Amino acid sequence: DIQMTQSPPSLSASVGDRVTITCQASQDIVNYLNWFQQKPGKAPKLLIYDASNLQTGVPSRFSGSGSGTHFTFTISSLQPEDIATYYCQQYDDRPMYTFGQGTKLEIK
Amino acid sequence: QVTLRESGPALVKPTQTLTLTCTFSGFSLNTFGMCVSWIRQPPGKALEWLARIDWDDDTYYSTSLKTRLTISKVTSENKVVLKMTNMDPVDTATYFCARVQMVAGSPLFDSWGQGALVTVSS
Repeated sequence: DIQMTQSPPSLSASVGDRVTITCQASQDIVNYLNWFQQKPGKAPKLLIYDASNLQTGVPSRFSGSGSGTHFTFTISSLQPEDIATYYCQQYDDRPMYTFGQGTKLEIK
Repeated sequence: QVTLRESGPALVKPTQTLTLTCTFSGFSLNTFGMCVSWIRQPPGKALEWLARIDWDDDTYYSTSLKTRLTISKVTSENKVVLKMTNMDPVDTATYFCARVQMVAGSPLFDSWGQGALVTVSS
């Protein structure tokens, strides 16, 4: 199975900061990657699919990039409502949709 | 508006079989490209994909759990059922169902239920 390694595991940033999370795949997954946001006690929400495509209705401050084994998720200007845990998910090894271990984002 | 809701027992005993139902509205599992997946999340831990059933009745399972899982659908009732056998305390988790739209081969997990917490304990 493909392993997904996210870093950092947790992150503290200030409102307005640019925030970056990375996800490393154990093998080439082309661009077959989703990014999710999960707020405490809630279900995950799809933000990005195919590594860089913004899901309908998601604010443009969220973006994704990368291909192969290295991927990046960015919030261009952190807002208080962005406090959540973020997960990457690969779907190259279909349909074993492996998730990363998550990155918990907090406000400094 | 698409909605999904998980239902089932909150507590099961070790070795028992868990049966969870996902009742959905706002879409049909008869539509090309529509699927429903189950995902779980142990308390304080990461998400784990479990199974998927497609509009054409194809089913897929996590390789590590496939011997214990069965996913099925009742299309006329807009329901998807997940059965997991031989439950163990490590299976304690919140179980989510999600709509998955296959768009150009990419799975869009675009709508989720609120989740159902299942505790395995004697």
